[in-house]
Amino acid sequence: DGGITQSPKYLFRKEGQNVTLSCEQNLNHDAMYWYRQDPGQGLRLIYYSQIVNDFQKGDIAEGYSVSREKKESFPLTVTSAQKNPTAFYLCASSNRLAGGEQYFGPGTRLTVT
Amino acid sequence: GENVEQHPSTLSVQEGDSAVIKCTYSDSASNYFPWYKQELGKRPQLIIDIRSNVGEKKDQRIAVTLNKTAKHFSLHITETQPEDSAVYFCASSGGSNYKLTFGKGTLLTVNP
Repeated sequence: DGGITQSPKYLFRKEGQNVTLSCEQNLNHDAMYWYRQDPGQGLRLIYYSQIVNDFQKGDIAEGYSVSREKKESFPLTVTSAQKNPTAFYLCASSNRLAGGEQYFGPGTRLTVT
Repeated sequence: GENVEQHPSTLSVQEGDSAVIKCTYSDSASNYFPWYKQELGKRPQLIIDIRSNVGEKKDQRIAVTLNKTAKHFSLHITETQPEDSAVYFCASSGGSNYKLTFGKGTLLTVNP
């Protein structure tokens, strides 16, 4: 199913708590991405990483943090500073040198109350 | 940065009819234009893509056209079927070979 996994599928947290979303890929892709999806808003880029130990902010990075210590893994932390964290989060990966197609994980639906 | 506009936001057709979704982009350096289909609660999946050295590409009932001068590209689905019902996203590479900017999506409903 694409070789990219996210866990858990559903996540519930109380306001004020940090939460980390997992993303793992076995496609040997250099680049990895995190998107946030809200109804009617499309896919908005939070952070992306082209290579290990390097990452860049996307369009809506405030309140989020990431790390890229291993090629296969790109976890996203939703911090308490994120004003409206409830959303569907999608991780993706691509072969940077091939240029183009991104493969998506199944997503994590985060609900913060 | 790149800006992608997608229209319409919703589209309802009868089974067997054609459906057309249009996107415009802003960065003239963009050279890769994929289309993704997302069924309810599922992950987006690539259905077709086109690069800037090609004007049209077909895959069975799906086709994409690109007009680089006007900076727009379109998805055409012929002989629509109920299983085509989904949200469709266009995207543009914006001159990068790894980063995509997505449109806001089109909810296509195919009525039996």
